[in-house]
Amino acid sequence: QSVLTQPPSASGTPGQRVTISCSGSSSNIGSNTVNWYQQLPGTAPKLLIYSNNQRPSGVPDRFSGSKSGTSASLAISGLQSEDEADYYCAAWDDSLNGHVVFGGGTKLTVL
Amino acid sequence: EVQLVQSGAEVKKPGESLKISCKGSGYSFTSYWIGWVRQMPGKGLEWMGIIYPGDSDTRYSPSFQGQVTISADKSISTAYLQWSSLKASDTAMYYCVRHNGGATTHFDYWGQGTLVTVSS
Repeated sequence: QSVLTQPPSASGTPGQRVTISCSGSSSNIGSNTVNWYQQLPGTAPKLLIYSNNQRPSGVPDRFSGSKSGTSASLAISGLQSEDEADYYCAAWDDSLNGHVVFGGGTKLTVL
Repeated sequence: EVQLVQSGAEVKKPGESLKISCKGSGYSFTSYWIGWVRQMPGKGLEWMGIIYPGDSDTRYSPSFQGQVTISADKSISTAYLQWSSLKASDTAMYYCVRHNGGATTHFDYWGQGTLVTVSS
C-alpha cells in the first residue's frame, strides 16, 4: 500500500489529453512539493516534473503538473504513442524523521 | 555530463552478503545527496534512504531501517548499498539517484540500475 494514491491505469488515444491524479496527506503533498517520474518500458525512471509544475530541460511542454492542497495531478496533452509508460508521483514526507514517499504508479496506455 | 554508473547484476543465495555501488561523475560528488530506490519485479518505486557524501550523514526510510546499510567513499565518488544477510524478498532492481539540492528535493539523475537476484 503506497502512501500516495494514484490510479493503477489510464488510457487515451493519440492527440487526446489525459490526467493522472496523486492524492496524499498534510505531511507530504500538503506541505512539500510534488515530483513526477516517467518510466518507459525496460528503462530507468527519469524526472518529468519537479516542484509541482516545473519541467526539466528537454521535457516537452505537453507535460504539465499542478498541485492543490493534498492532491496533485499530471496532465499530458497531445498524447503520443511514445508516452506509453508508467508514471509515478513522489514527495517528501515530514513524518518519522522525514523520507520520500511514492505513489503506486499509473500505467498509461495509448490506444 | 552528470552520470551515475552502477555496478553489474548480481546473483546470490539467501544468507549471503552483498555490496553494490554507484559511481558519480561530472559534478561535485560531495555536494549532493545520493539516494537508493528499490523496484521489485513488476512493482512500483520505493525510496530506501540517502547519504550526503560530504559528511556521510545518512537517513533511512522507516521501511528499510536496519535492513540495509548505505555508505559512501568520497575519495572515489562512490556510494554503496549493502546487505549482511540477503533474503529472497530482496530480489529487485536497485537504482541510485542524485537529489537535486537538499535531501527533500527531487531526483534529477538516475543510475542505470543494478538487478539483484536472490535464489537458492
